[in-house]
Amino acid sequence: AQTVTQSQPEMSVQEAETVTLSCTYDTSESDYYLFWYKQPPSRQMILVIRQEAYKQQNATENRFSVNFQKAAKSFSLKISDSQLGDAAMYFCAYSGAGSYQLTFGKGTKLSVIP
Amino acid sequence: AAGVIQSPRHLIKEKRETATLKCYPIPRHDTVYWYQQGPGQDPQFLISFYEKMQSDKGSIPDRFSAQQFSDYHSELNMSSLELGDSALYFCASSWPTHSGNGEQYFGPGTRLTVT
Repeated sequence: AQTVTQSQPEMSVQEAETVTLSCTYDTSESDYYLFWYKQPPSRQMILVIRQEAYKQQNATENRFSVNFQKAAKSFSLKISDSQLGDAAMYFCAYSGAGSYQLTFGKGTKLSVIP
Repeated sequence: AAGVIQSPRHLIKEKRETATLKCYPIPRHDTVYWYQQGPGQDPQFLISFYEKMQSDKGSIPDRFSAQQFSDYHSELNMSSLELGDSALYFCASSWPTHSGNGEQYFGPGTRLTVT
């Protein structure tokens, strides 16, 4: 079974600064997807960024980028120029290419300090 | 753009009652997933449907059942409710798996409270 581990239960960042959230995963599959989801206080699950395992290039979406290290099974999220609206719970998630169910990590609660 | 619709948004039931949660996927999405998120926990996969057939099953209790209908909407039926069933229930939908990119789009969730 696949597992996803987020070792940072809580993190904080100053507004306009950069923060990196860590995620590691374990799988025996060669083809899979990795995601970061944001869950603000509204509890809505919002997709932040996606990475296909077969792509070597790290995904980027505006201020959000990932550092995908396939051999190390590491998938960290970097948030640049942090904004107050970035404050939320961030979940790292995995899905296999054959079975698309998502397996989530325990989450990292990010606080943004004005 | 159209999003995933879930109804009701809030539901209060008593122990041993039944509940039905509904999910309307994004148009042209043919795969539906159900997740349960307890207080302070990460979402847990319950069950999924592709083209009206069950495709994967996770940690769904035997007291729960689900189905996907011809219009692709899905319903999660929960019987003999227990206090521990109190949670936020998400439905998500995705593109056809043969052409998909793995992305799932989540609805706003149904908050179920069992008293």
